[in-house]
Amino acid sequence: KNEVEQSPQNLTAQEGEFITINCSYSVGISALHWLQQHPGGGIVSLFMLSSGKKKHGRLIATINIQEKHSSLHITASHPRDSAVYICAGPLADTDKLIFGTGTRLQVFP
Amino acid sequence: DGGITQSPKYLFRKEGQNVTLSCEQNLNHDAMYWYRQDPGQGLRLIYYSQIVNDFQKGDIAEGYSVSREKKESFPLTVTSAQKNPTAFYLCASRQTGALNQPQHFGDGTRLSIL
Repeated sequence: KNEVEQSPQNLTAQEGEFITINCSYSVGISALHWLQQHPGGGIVSLFMLSSGKKKHGRLIATINIQEKHSSLHITASHPRDSAVYICAGPLADTDKLIFGTGTRLQVFP
Repeated sequence: DGGITQSPKYLFRKEGQNVTLSCEQNLNHDAMYWYRQDPGQGLRLIYYSQIVNDFQKGDIAEGYSVSREKKESFPLTVTSAQKNPTAFYLCASRQTGALNQPQHFGDGTRLSIL
């Protein structure tokens, strides 16, 4: 069992739909990162959060530390949101990031 | 603009050859990392360095070597001892000294065996 699990693994949506990607973890982490990986492979950091909720444009990330669960929401999805979304967390008191396997999102016009 | 530059984007290697992947950052970050990404798996840590002239093995260091002679550079050598080197390799850096600083990633190098 992976220490960081994401669901779903693959997701397709029509433009405009509301998207939710979930991340659950079984290890102690101090914060959770949401990353976006585009088809070319480069990774961009979207959010880092240790409590509550953060919003950036159409993206919203929430985390419940007690339940060890985080969600990434995309409102009014657009084809340019098509990418792999990865959650990751640093193990407490270490420099090591533990990564989920990613959720591949495809948004069709 | 500050960032991480990985080169080349695509790399081909003959069996039995060593090959070196370049990673340069101008973010003045202390820590640098190398990850390997395989289909269906999360990124796995190969090596990391928190300071110049020091580095530690990650989870899958066998068959790889690194050096950190300069703060801005952290090259990764894939040696002939790495039996399955075909993968996507990502370099990252992070500023240490403050809690939960995010890692910044390069665009990756895709290595294939001929």
